[in-house]
Order: sequence, then C-alpha cells, then structure tokens
Amino acid sequence: QLQLQESGPGLVKPSETLSLTCTVSGGSISSTNYYWGWIRQPPGKGLEWIGSIYYRGSTYYNPSLKSRVAISVDTSKNQFSLKLTSVTAADTAVYYCARQNYYYYGLDVWGQGTTVTVSS
Amino acid sequence: QSALTQPPSASGSPGQSVTISCTGTSSDVGGYNYVSWYQQHPGKAPKLMIYEVSKRPSGVPDRFSGSKSDNTASLTVSGLQAEDEADYYCSSYAGSNTLVFGGGTKLTVL
Repeated sequence: QLQLQESGPGLVKPSETLSLTCTVSGGSISSTNYYWGWIRQPPGKGLEWIGSIYYRGSTYYNPSLKSRVAISVDTSKNQFSLKLTSVTAADTAVYYCARQNYYYYGLDVWGQGTTVTVSS
Repeated sequence: QSALTQPPSASGSPGQSVTISCTGTSSDVGGYNYVSWYQQHPGKAPKLMIYEVSKRPSGVPDRFSGSKSDNTASLTVSGLQAEDEADYYCSSYAGSNTLVFGGGTKLTVL
C-alpha cells in the first residue's frame, strides 16, 4: 500500500527558506501515471495547491507562489522535496504531500501532513 | 488563478440529501471535466471522494455523487450519515498542469 510521509523542520524564521521532503513507500515515484504534489492549509483555512513534479523533473507551480517555490525529485531515494523561500507568517500552515493522477489530476494518496510555523 | 467559490456551510438531517456547489470559470471548472471533491475530517488529511466530475474511487460509498453544469460543479451526499460531517473541498484543473481548490464547505449533520 502506497504511503507518503512528510519530514522537515517545524519552525522556520521569517525571511528564511522552508524545506520539506516527502518519502514515498510501497510504490515507485518513477511511475508514468502520476505527478507528485505539495498542498498546504493555513490554520483554520482552506487548501492551497503549491505545485507538482513529474518523476522526470518537469515542474508545475501555483502562479501566486511561483517566484518563491522550487520542487525537486530524487528517484534514487523515492523522495521529492519542496523549498519555499523568503517565508513570512502567512506561510504558516500544515503542508501535505500527495500523489496526483497524471490523467485526471485528482490527488488520490496523501501524507498525514506536517505543521510548519514561521516565527522568530 | 482565483479560488473556486463554495458556500461556507451546508447542513442536513440524517437520511436527507445535501448538495454543495463549486463555482469557477470557463478557465477551470467550465473548461475541463477534471473536477475532484475531497472530504476532510478535523485533524486529518483530505480524502478523494470524486474525480473527473462524477467518478468514485474504489471504497467511496455510492451515496456520494458529482455533476457539473457550465462553470459550476456539485457534490451531492444522499442518505446523510453522522460520519459524513466534515469539510468538503472541490478542485479543478486550471490549465498548464495547475490545480485550483475551492474555499471549502463545512457540512453539518443535524
């Protein structure tokens, strides 16, 4: 059974870079049928799609975050990662990684989420 | 790319049906049949309930159904049960391999 697990610091200082990794187990990140995505949810608010990556390295980003986001993939480790630069308190959220179907774009397997707080 | 519009809340009694709307534009909901719906219980990750407007993943009860007309998609929950109380989010393909979510609807089972 495919599982995704987010990892990374739970506290990041303002203006610094948020870095998270998603480890995929029970399946290969190199599947041709899926993208791998990041989604976030600020406290008490809705979901926001951050971006996704294909195993070959093609990336797609939310236009509103594009200037600050980078998603990368390491197929040898079955992992993909998120970097978000110049963070502010508005970036405080639960960050989820998820598998995104290549054909219908639905997010069908999710990690449990990790809370990241931006504070000095 | 603006968020899709959902009502903040919806409610119904056990056994009743409730419909949640999701309004976008011709650049997202109206332009593609790639609308998905997610259920999220407090403190949990979202769960895919509907994809491609009206298809259900394996294991999702047939009480959940989806439809679309022009720029508005809808999720209907029939035969409401206590465990259906949750937040529901729609999402749509928005072109150029991007996705957009709705603001979410809190469903209360009275």
